Amino acid sequence: QEQVVESGGGVVQPGGSLRLSCVSSEFTLSTYGLHWVRQAPGKGPEWVAFMRKDTNDKTYADSVTGRFSISGDTSKKTLYLEMNSLRTEDTAIYFCAKDMITWGQGIPVTVSS
Amino acid sequence: QTVVTQEPSLSVSPGATVTLTCGLSSGSVSTNNYAGWCRQTPGQAPRTLIGNTYTRISGVPDRFSGSILENKAALTITGAQADDESIYYCILYVGGDIWRFGGGTRLTVL
Repeated sequence: QEQVVESGGGVVQPGGSLRLSCVSSEFTLSTYGLHWVRQAPGKGPEWVAFMRKDTNDKTYADSVTGRFSISGDTSKKTLYLEMNSLRTEDTAIYFCAKDMITWGQGIPVTVSS
Repeated sequence: QTVVTQEPSLSVSPGATVTLTCGLSSGSVSTNNYAGWCRQTPGQAPRTLIGNTYTRISGVPDRFSGSILENKAALTITGAQADDESIYYCILYVGGDIWRFGGGTRLTVL
């Protein structure tokens, strides 16, 4: 059974940086691509970023454009989310999702002084 | 900015059928929006039930079905059970490799 596991979360001060990782046992078997989705406390999910499988093209939600960067390493079966200039409103559980079908368990990120 | 709309809450009796819908503020939903449906219980990751409008994900009971109804994506639960009580989110592709979630429908089974 496919496993998707996120790591790299934690507590960071406003303006700081974090890099999240997502290891998938079937990383290269996505049909369309890989997503990062986040969910702030008490809120619904918010789509954050996408990396298309066939072209490696990347897209971002307006709320993170210019601050977050999605990338992948197929040899390591790992998806990354580099998060810079973090704000308190970036506090959330961050999930990676393959084709928006297979989800990881999520990793918490807290931005607080 | 395009907004994805869902009923905030619905209730259904055990054994009855309920349909949740998912619309777009900018117009009609079609198969080109590749609608997905997931549900989430507190403290858990979302679980996708339906992808690409109609495709039931492996392991999902066949009482869940996806469709397009009156220009909206729809999730129909036929023969609702007590453990179907959850929050259901739809996900729409809005073009340009951008996706949007709806605000969620809290389904009560009583």
